[in-house]
Amino acid sequence: SQTIHQWPATLVQPVGSPLSLECTVEGTSNPNLYWYRQAAGRGLQLLFYSVGIGQISSEVPQNLSASRPQDRQFILSSKKLLLSDSGFYLCARDSRNYGYTFGSGTRLTVV
Amino acid sequence: GDSVTQMEGPVTLSEEAFLTINCTYTATGYPSLFWYVQYPGEGLQLLLKATKADDKGSNKGFEATYRKETTSFHLEKGSVQVSDSAVYFCALSDRAAGNKLTFGGGTRVLVKP
Repeated sequence: SQTIHQWPATLVQPVGSPLSLECTVEGTSNPNLYWYRQAAGRGLQLLFYSVGIGQISSEVPQNLSASRPQDRQFILSSKKLLLSDSGFYLCARDSRNYGYTFGSGTRLTVV
Repeated sequence: GDSVTQMEGPVTLSEEAFLTINCTYTATGYPSLFWYVQYPGEGLQLLLKATKADDKGSNKGFEATYRKETTSFHLEKGSVQVSDSAVYFCALSDRAAGNKLTFGGGTRVLVKP
């Protein structure tokens, strides 16, 4: 199984509040993991990717950060949310046999 | 860098009509190509893929052929159903770029009964 668990499914947070979105994956060990964001009516933007524990690469400068404390855990965080952080956040993993697998996503609304 | 361009939507069709969504790409290496589908309120699901030139990916009546000479991967379905209403994303994965997925902007398809 290459299942990805993401939570929460929806989240409404005030501007300036912190954020923590968690993603855990099943299947083969040492997967490459990714955080994507989909802003309303727009395409998918790669935010972060990780090739191993503690290894994070950022694709775009922004108000967010990511961490990978365990092999199958990938966390997206912010210390102070902005209105522009609203969007649909997707965690993904790659796999040689199954292509790419995505989680069901978290819809974040910053108010 | 790598990029994917796909036709903008929305595309509105009647049931049983023919669907085609154009997708072209630029890549530094030899990418794998994908089509993903996103149903309302859900995450992305892999629809089909092709890993080398002239490969044809197919699934659920959808097809796409990897055309290296035209750098294209157009998605087609001969007879759409209302349940095919979704957003479709073309994407590439390039080993030269660390296997990261690069997406097109997505095409919203609405099929009316």
